[in-house]
Amino acid sequence: AQSVTQLGSHVSVSEGALVLLRCNYSSSVPPYLFWYVQYPNQGLQLLLKYTSAATLVKGINGFEAEFKKSETSFHLTKPSAHMSDAAEYFCAVSDRGAGNMLTFGGGTRLMVKP
Amino acid sequence: DTAVSQTPKYLVTQMGNDKSIKCEQNLGHDTMYWYKQDSKKFLKIMFSYNNKELIINETVPNRFSPKSPDKAHLNLHINSLELGDSAVYFCASSQEGDGGGYTFGSGTRLTVV
Repeated sequence: AQSVTQLGSHVSVSEGALVLLRCNYSSSVPPYLFWYVQYPNQGLQLLLKYTSAATLVKGINGFEAEFKKSETSFHLTKPSAHMSDAAEYFCAVSDRGAGNMLTFGGGTRLMVKP
Repeated sequence: DTAVSQTPKYLVTQMGNDKSIKCEQNLGHDTMYWYKQDSKKFLKIMFSYNNKELIINETVPNRFSPKSPDKAHLNLHINSLELGDSAVYFCASSQEGDGGGYTFGSGTRLTVV
């Protein structure tokens, strides 16, 4: 069984400040891990993914995430927040099995203050 | 060209009705999914099809029935709609072996009144 926990359902930062969204996972197999972003009234868009290559993964819009096996974490960061980053962010883990099912965390709403 | 398209985008209907949501992908992916997103934004998988075969069928009421006429289409039919079915339903697709990234449709907001 696999699961994802996102600490903090809401995170608020000032424009230009560091963004840190936390994700911890549980998986019985080496995981594939993902971050998705959802803007209001839209579908989910893939930000980045970890598939057992480099542990530091760079994604779109200046985001990156680091896979830390010892901490079972895959936290998402961005050095400087922009107003356009305000959205809902989801961490997900894949079972890599038949059906390639993704299990999502509960999401974190990022708010960016001017 | 929309990669994963769902119709309709909005659906308002009365309790007890039957409705369908259609999904099509033009990415050549071999696996398609239906996810339900509730009012608290929680996403839960409902079904997964691989090359028209049902792979995943989570605990979903029998009133929900997926149909995949070919690997580019996965439709969702819902019988006897209930208030609790109100949610946003997302279709997604992926290609086996590419690391599992999904491409999502823009969602169908179903409101049962």
